[in-house]
Amino acid sequence: EVQLVESGGGLVQPGGSLRLSCAASGFTFSDYGMFWVRQGPIRGLVGVAHINDDGTKTHYADSVKGRFTISRDNAKNTLYLQVNSLNAEDTGVYYCTRDRNGMDVWGRGTTVTVSS
Amino acid sequence: QSVLTQPPSVSAAPGQKVTISCSGQNSNIGQGWVSWNQHLPGTAPKLHIYDNNKRPSEVPDRFSGSKSGTSATLGITGLQTGDEADYYCGTWDSSLNGWVFGGGTKVTVL
Repeated sequence: EVQLVESGGGLVQPGGSLRLSCAASGFTFSDYGMFWVRQGPIRGLVGVAHINDDGTKTHYADSVKGRFTISRDNAKNTLYLQVNSLNAEDTGVYYCTRDRNGMDVWGRGTTVTVSS
Repeated sequence: QSVLTQPPSVSAAPGQKVTISCSGQNSNIGQGWVSWNQHLPGTAPKLHIYDNNKRPSEVPDRFSGSKSGTSATLGITGLQTGDEADYYCGTWDSSLNGWVFGGGTKVTVL
C-alpha cells in the first residue's frame, strides 16, 4: 500500500523551529518529486515547497523562502521540512504529497501551531 | 489571496449537478495541467482529477474535468451527500516557480 506518514509537528513559540518528517512506503521513493502543502486555520491550501526526485532542485513559496528548507534522504525513504523563524501565519496542518499526476498521494498531515 | 480563483461555495439537491470554476493566468492554467483535490476536514486530501480531465481509477465517473484557455472546470453529476467537501484546483505556475491552488470551493448537498 502506498503510504505517507508525517510527524514532527507541535506547539512552538514565535521565532522557534521544528523539523517535520514524512516517511514514505509502498513505492520507489527515489523515483518521485515531493511537495509539502500547508492548510491554514481558514480553508485554503498552500504549496509550501517542492523537491525533485534526487534532491538537487528545490522550490519554495515566497512566504517561506529563507526560513524553510526541504530535503530528502532516499536511502531512508524520508522527506523533511526544516521550518525556522516561525510566525503565526505558519500555523496549520502540513501535508507531504507525491508529485505524480499533480499530487496523487497525501499523508494525513502533522499540525504546527505557532503561539506564545 | 489565492493565485487561482474559485467560487467560495456551490450547492444543489441530491441527484443534481454542480460545476466549480477555476480561473488563472497564462503562467499557470494556460500552460499546464490542472488537477482537482477533494478535502474532507480532518482527512487527507484526495486527488479526483488530473491532467485536466483524467480520473484516478477509484474516483467515480460522476466527476469530470475540463480546461479551456486559462480556466478549468470540475463537474459533479448525480450529487450525493458523500460529495460534501472542499474542492481545490491546482497547477504549476511557471512565473512563481511553484505549485498554486485555488482558494477552495465548499460543495453543499441541500
